[in-house]
Amino acid sequence: DTAVSQTPKYLVTQMGNDKSIKCEQNLGHDTMYWYKQDSKKFLKIMFSYNNKELIINETVPNRFSPKSPDKAHLNLHINSLELGDSAVYFCASSLGTGSSGTEAFFGQGTRLTVV
Amino acid sequence: SQQGEEDPQALSIQEGENATMNCSYKTSINNLQWYRQNSGRGLVHLILIRSNEREKHSGRLRVTLDTSKKSSSLLITASRAADTASYFCATFFYNTDKLIFGTGTRLQVFP
Repeated sequence: DTAVSQTPKYLVTQMGNDKSIKCEQNLGHDTMYWYKQDSKKFLKIMFSYNNKELIINETVPNRFSPKSPDKAHLNLHINSLELGDSAVYFCASSLGTGSSGTEAFFGQGTRLTVV
Repeated sequence: SQQGEEDPQALSIQEGENATMNCSYKTSINNLQWYRQNSGRGLVHLILIRSNEREKHSGRLRVTLDTSKKSSSLLITASRAADTASYFCATFFYNTDKLIFGTGTRLQVFP
């Protein structure tokens, strides 16, 4: 069983479209994240949720809206896609955060290409 | 900005050699973690070292932590072609929920 799964793996879309990426974890973790990895492989945290509550919103444009229907799911919806949104998006989860932070488990990534 | 800066940015070695990569970070931490990312894949956790630890081993991996210098190093001994990947350090900002990654080191191991 895949611990953190995200779909789709590849997403090619035109500028201006709206798209969603789904993420699910079966590890029973309380915390889930979205990261963006650019072409230089820099990983930038976008959002963090703990028990369905948003705890980090790292100055991401409001075209990006995460939604956590329950502790095991964290979806990412992107409105009005722009060329600069092209990147690989990773979902991750961990058991704790901050002072009790533990290892994070990552999904396989979603390669988003905006044309 | 990135919490961790890693060097070198890229490293090429022959199989059997040791590979050392370094990570420097900016704030107080509770622990520091190292991850590996194979091409086209997600990140995989390798090892976690707590702020009160100075050295930790896991198989062919050795991690050191110097909190006075805000730096850590990852040593891979007797490297193999399968170790070819990007390696990232990561830390939680002290008392925050941000898991921040370094800039990464791309390791190439030639057979």
